[in-house]
Amino acid sequence: ETGVTQSPTHLIKTRGQQVTLRCSSQSGHNTVSWYQQALGQGPQFIFQYYREEENGRGNFPPRFSGLQFPNYSSELNVNALELDDSALYLCASSFDPVGGYPFGSGTRLTVV
Amino acid sequence: GQQVMQIPQYQHVQEGEDFTTYCNSSTTLSNIQWYKQRPGGHPVFLIQLVKSGEVKKQKRLTFQFGEAKKNSSLHITATQTTDVGTYFCARNNAGNMLTFGGGTRLMVKP
Repeated sequence: ETGVTQSPTHLIKTRGQQVTLRCSSQSGHNTVSWYQQALGQGPQFIFQYYREEENGRGNFPPRFSGLQFPNYSSELNVNALELDDSALYLCASSFDPVGGYPFGSGTRLTVV
Repeated sequence: GQQVMQIPQYQHVQEGEDFTTYCNSSTTLSNIQWYKQRPGGHPVFLIQLVKSGEVKKQKRLTFQFGEAKKNSSLHITATQTTDVGTYFCARNNAGNMLTFGGGTRLMVKP
């Protein structure tokens, strides 16, 4: 097991709604990154949090936002959902941003 | 941009045949990571290559990092049905903020 847990596993939302996805990391994993993986494509970097502050951001609009909490859990929030937001959302965490990444099993979001 | 290109996009092989996927970048890579994603699963970290010309082996898998640190390859010897999945390379831009290639989907006929 990777020690990275995501919830929920599947979610269906309507266009225009807001969604919150959650990621729980192993104790001590102070770095968490979120990725979006559309069907048939490689994961795309959304943003990274390090010690509760945003540490880097990919090419995603501001309606994608996140939080990291002192207990090493993390949230990804997406406002004003669009059909193209349908994807597998992955979080990955580690102790300090080095080395290989254990990914969670992801949340599959469908926007209808 | 700092993209990585992977070829081929798909590969069908007969069980027992070898398989290779290639990853190319127009700019020098500080390091490269490889992941495997089974159908319906999530990416699983395989290895990270850091040094120019580095070669690492994991059982039937051989990973290479080019001398110029602009390309990398993953070679699987004598494929098995358990090797089925999509193999991704990912450049590590800084602090594990990864840029993934498009992946090579491997299908193995028993």
